[in-house]
Amino acid sequence: QPVLTQPPSSSASPGESARLTCTLPSDINIGGYNVYWYQQKPGSPPRYLLYYYSDSDTGQGSGVPSRFSGSRNASANAGILLISGLQSEDEADYYCMIWSNNGGVFGGGTRLTVL
Amino acid sequence: QITLKESGPTLVKPTQTLTLTCTFSGFSLSTSGLGVGWIRQPPGKALEWLALIYWDNDKRFRPSLKTRLTITKDTSKNQVVLRMTNMDPVDTATYFCAHRPRVGAHFDVWGQGTLVTVSS
Repeated sequence: QPVLTQPPSSSASPGESARLTCTLPSDINIGGYNVYWYQQKPGSPPRYLLYYYSDSDTGQGSGVPSRFSGSRNASANAGILLISGLQSEDEADYYCMIWSNNGGVFGGGTRLTVL
Repeated sequence: QITLKESGPTLVKPTQTLTLTCTFSGFSLSTSGLGVGWIRQPPGKALEWLALIYWDNDKRFRPSLKTRLTITKDTSKNQVVLRMTNMDPVDTATYFCAHRPRVGAHFDVWGQGTLVTVSS
């Protein structure tokens, strides 16, 4: 089972932007995968945010604000979740996920603190 | 409106078999392309995908747990059942079931989860 690496924590101030990364192992080329992003707040199930494959193939979850967007850094083999205009309600854990040949794989999650 | 709800024991003893039921509404698992998955989350830790069953009864399992897991569906009851054998304290987690709207897609609707503690 591949491992998706996410920084354990990140922080930013209200109104600023946050850039959360999800690095795939070197033997998996991000160019071949949809990267899915979920938000989870304490005591709640994950909420689907969006997926990103390419700039022309990306999709937002139902009711997810356009402040949330996806991207990727091919050279770093990483998916990226961008959150602009941070709000206090964005403080949460964020998980990336892919579907590999062996099934679903989640990253370790990033706790985003809105200072 | 799609909803899912997990049910089962809150406490199991080591070596016992865990049986969890996901009861859903708002869709039929006989509809082409649909799937229902199970995901767990140990306290304070990350999400971990466990298993998935498709509308056509195709199944997928987490490789490291494949020998311990079974997943079945009862389309008439709108239920999916996950069984995990030989439970261990490290299996203590909140177990979620979730709806997958099409092959290769995300989990778009999740149940609230059920906490299962493994302890003697």
